[in-house]
Amino acid sequence: DIQMTQSPSTLSASVGDRITITCRASQLISVWLAWYQHKPGKAPKLLIYQASSLESGVPSRFSGSGSGTEFTLTISSLQPDDFATYYCQQYNFYPPTFGQGTKVEIK
Amino acid sequence: QVQLVQSGAEVKKPGASVKVSCKASEYTFIDYFMHWVRLAPGQRPEWMGWINPKSGATNYAQKFQGRVTMTRDTSITTTFMELNGLTSDDTAVYYCARVRTGAYSYDDNWGQGTLVTVSP
Repeated sequence: DIQMTQSPSTLSASVGDRITITCRASQLISVWLAWYQHKPGKAPKLLIYQASSLESGVPSRFSGSGSGTEFTLTISSLQPDDFATYYCQQYNFYPPTFGQGTKVEIK
Repeated sequence: QVQLVQSGAEVKKPGASVKVSCKASEYTFIDYFMHWVRLAPGQRPEWMGWINPKSGATNYAQKFQGRVTMTRDTSITTTFMELNGLTSDDTAVYYCARVRTGAYSYDDNWGQGTLVTVSP
């Protein structure tokens, strides 16, 4: 299976900060990568697909980039609603696999 | 908007089975594959398999083959995931998730999750 590694595992930040989360794949996955936001007790929410395509309804402060094996999720100005855990997922190879998550905490 | 509403939390004994339901609404049920994904405490999300609601065809992750069964009832736009031979390692939140395109794409809408606790 493709291994997905996110960094950092935890990120402490303040409202208004620009933050970046990195996701690395163990093999080339082209641009077949998605990012999800997850809050406790809630349904995960799709943010980005195909590495850089913003899902409809997702604020433009979220952006994704990368291809091949290295990808990033950037939040340009962190808002109170953004404190959550973020997961990357590759869907180029069967089975789909996820990163271990990055928890964004209030500093 | 798309809604996926799952059944409530379950507590099971080791060796038992659990069946989780996922009722879909506000879209054409048979037009989208459904994934099941679980999230165990301290672990990364784990993809369990897919079901094609139109045909009933399924594909399971190797780890769960022989222990999981995914079914659907088109008359009530509901998919089901049954997991047998439960152990404490199966304690997790189980999610259904609608697949955007085909069987192996990303998931654009998720259920709220069903907590399954396996405890003696």
